[in-house]
Amino acid sequence: SQQGEEDPQALSIQEGENATMNCSYKTSINNLQWYRQNSGRGLVHLILIRSNEREKHSGRLRVTLDTSKKSSSLLITASRAADTASYFCATRYAGGTSYGKLTFGQGTILTVHP
Amino acid sequence: EAGVTQFPSHSVIEKGQTVTLRCDPISGHDNLYWYRRVMGKEIKFLLHFVKESKQDESGMPNNRFLAERTGGTYSTLKVQPAELEDSGVYFCASSQELALAGYTFGSGTRLTVV
Repeated sequence: SQQGEEDPQALSIQEGENATMNCSYKTSINNLQWYRQNSGRGLVHLILIRSNEREKHSGRLRVTLDTSKKSSSLLITASRAADTASYFCATRYAGGTSYGKLTFGQGTILTVHP
Repeated sequence: EAGVTQFPSHSVIEKGQTVTLRCDPISGHDNLYWYRRVMGKEIKFLLHFVKESKQDESGMPNNRFLAERTGGTYSTLKVQPAELEDSGVYFCASSQELALAGYTFGSGTRLTVV
């Protein structure tokens, strides 16, 4: 399996519901980031959590990180139709010369129905 | 501040031709990255510049790809000669401080090789 695998691959919910996406990774990391991509657009950085942090909030977003399980989750509360997009987790490796490289997961396609 | 700008947004070329993609990072961002997403696969790292120097080019697929960042400002990615499997979306990103913030991505260049 790939570094930064995500599940589910696709998620369909109604407006107002919460959406939870999970990400697993393999190597030691410096930080883990979540990005959103709207159709045909670039990646937008949502939130970054460092390896020594366990939980972080930003508006309607809540990210958790469990380094012992090498996993993270992104929770979007009270979803809106505008949240419809692909969501990617990306990890930054903890050491070596590839310190700037992000390793992305396959992404979760979230559809929020009005 | 202006974001990361990429052009062209779309390019359709024939197999064997040459294409040059350009990326203008956020002014003052020393770190510049190229990524690509081939159809149906994950977003993959190509290389990382720090100013004008190549910090990490471990993701460059082969010697048909040449990236430059003369003067440490904008960057170009040349594919010569292009092959069918080079089709995909090429993203550029920039960042200042690596550890504290996420990366700012451009909207990407969709390359189609026919």
